[in-house]
Amino acid sequence: DIQLTQSPSFLSASVGDRVTITCRASQGTSSYLAWYQQKPGKAPKLLIYAASTLQSGVPSRFSGSGSGTEFTLTISSLQPEDFATYYCQQLKTYPITFGQGTRLEIK
Amino acid sequence: EVQLVESGGGLVQPGGPLRLSCAASGLTLGIYWMTWVRQAPGKGLEWVASINQGGSEKYYVDSVKGRFTISRDNSKDSLYLQMNSLRAEDAAVYYCARFYVSSGPQDAFDIWGQGTVVTVSS
Repeated sequence: DIQLTQSPSFLSASVGDRVTITCRASQGTSSYLAWYQQKPGKAPKLLIYAASTLQSGVPSRFSGSGSGTEFTLTISSLQPEDFATYYCQQLKTYPITFGQGTRLEIK
Repeated sequence: EVQLVESGGGLVQPGGPLRLSCAASGLTLGIYWMTWVRQAPGKGLEWVASINQGGSEKYYVDSVKGRFTISRDNSKDSLYLQMNSLRAEDAAVYYCARFYVSSGPQDAFDIWGQGTVVTVSS
């Protein structure tokens, strides 16, 4: 199984900050990597797929990069609605796996 | 509006069965792979199972193999998850999602339902 490790697990930041979340895979996943945002009590929302492609309707302040075993999600200027939990996911092989999540909170 | 709506969650005793349903509106379910994902209370996301358009390919996480069965009825735009021999650790919010499968790395779970809660307790 491909294990995904996100860092940090918890992040405190302010509105307007630039933040980066890292996702490391135990094996190469090529670009089969997606990022999701989840707010409390809500379903996850797809932000980025194929490591760097922005899902339709997602603000351009979100960006993704990386390939192989190391990936990043960057939010260029945090907005109040961005405070949530973020998950990476690999779809290279079964079982499909998610990272443990990064909880982004307001400082 | 494209929408997935889960139903069938509830309280079940350990060892008991439960069948979840996912109804699609605004999209033709039959042309997509579909998937179930769960989230235990206070925990992260866990992929559970996926099924191809015709139902001939099914994949499961190891912890549910032999106990859960994913299926679909394309004529009803519906997806199902039959869960047997339920355990306390199966308690979670269960989400159905459209699994966009491409010929390249563009795969993703792009449309999600709101989830249905499964509680396993005596």
